[in-house]
Amino acid sequence: ETGVTQSPTHLIKTRGQQVTLRCSSQSGHNTVSWYQQALGQGPQFIFQYYREEENGRGNFPPRFSGLQFPNYSSELNVNALELDDSALYLCASSGGLSYTFGSGTRLTVV
Amino acid sequence: GQQLNQSPQSMFIQEGEDVSMNCTSSSIFNTWLWYKQDPGEGPVLLIALYKAGELTSNGRLTAQFGITRKDSFLNISASIPSDVGIYFCAGMNYGGSQGNLIFGKGTKLSVKP
Repeated sequence: ETGVTQSPTHLIKTRGQQVTLRCSSQSGHNTVSWYQQALGQGPQFIFQYYREEENGRGNFPPRFSGLQFPNYSSELNVNALELDDSALYLCASSGGLSYTFGSGTRLTVV
Repeated sequence: GQQLNQSPQSMFIQEGEDVSMNCTSSSIFNTWLWYKQDPGEGPVLLIALYKAGELTSNGRLTAQFGITRKDSFLNISASIPSDVGIYFCAGMNYGGSQGNLIFGKGTKLSVKP
């Protein structure tokens, strides 16, 4: 059974650019959620995808968008990057009551 | 964004000591989860609680789901150096269209050998 894998592990972008982060869900899990974790904080819910549709969204602006593919993998896209977008971005896949997190992508916006 | 009230923020303890941390919320949850996060890694699930009043153990770890459904605690007995890390509580209301987790700010645990 493979776990949740995220790519890339680290990324540096310039303010105003766009970024795409990727996540492969754990085998058997059909739901993917994305979280933003700023330094010294707990993860904050961005949005969740189930069967390729957005299934819930936290308090994040529309420039945060996502996709889920038929194989349940997912992408997080962030447009018009701001300095405050610098954070660890975590993907979690779930099936039933089981949540599994990936190791995250560390995004630095300069 | 919404975060749970988790305390203490940090703890410095001697190896072998017991540890206790707790989490409170103004909202009720039907699921409480406790995670541990090591530097550069994602959170790893330690214990999941699904019923008010439930007391669950996982080795040296014990967690309880508060009767009011607004709080939970985690105890670690006989701490060892590898217990070092950041511990997060998370509440969830599973069911319906959303199953997102609301996290606390974390408790940073340091263990002196």
